[in-house]
Amino acid sequence: EAQVTQNPRYLITVTGKKLTVTCSQNMNHEYMSWYRQDPGLGLRQIYYSMNVEVTDKGDVPEGYKVSRKEKRNFPLILESPSPNQTSLYFCASSLDRINTGELFFGEGSRLTVL
Amino acid sequence: GENVEQHPSTLSVQEGDSAVIKCTYSDSASNYFPWYKQELGKRPQLIIDIRSNVGEKKDQRIAVTLNKTAKHFSLHITETQPEDSAVYFCAASLYSSASKIIFGSGTRLSIRP
Repeated sequence: EAQVTQNPRYLITVTGKKLTVTCSQNMNHEYMSWYRQDPGLGLRQIYYSMNVEVTDKGDVPEGYKVSRKEKRNFPLILESPSPNQTSLYFCASSLDRINTGELFFGEGSRLTVL
Repeated sequence: GENVEQHPSTLSVQEGDSAVIKCTYSDSASNYFPWYKQELGKRPQLIIDIRSNVGEKKDQRIAVTLNKTAKHFSLHITETQPEDSAVYFCAASLYSSASKIIFGSGTRLSIRP
């Protein structure tokens, strides 16, 4: 089954404790991205990646890191989480950004930082 | 950079009536405009998209119109049904580049029985 898988789905952590949210897709998609969803603000792009070893900042990259060492994986790293990073996070992938635009989203990861 | 504004933030319509959600964008270079539907507790899913070389696109009860001159695009849902209740997001991007995609703030659509 074609899918984008995120883990963990739910996480409660404390300020400053490093965490990683994993994202994996099995569709051989080139493009992957991370979004955070907050009430009234819609989906805001954190980082995106056009292909392996190619990443770029979205609109709200502060406090986050990403890596793209393999085509299928695009982890989101919070080196020192803060309460303002409490949010619902979505990973998404697309075949490529040239020929097709549809984004396939993961199920979301709800993060709470105390 | 691109900015997308979406209105209204909430919309309640009687079942069977039509619903219209409007978005405006700021970057005249944007040429791809998708709409995503997010049901409660679920992930966003693409329902329709339009590219700048057409003015309207339909898919059954859903249609999207684009006015490039005015830089706005709209989602039209006719004969609304309970399963249309969801949050809808518009978005804009520059299709043929290593682009960011900018989403609107979302519209929560409720269908009254």
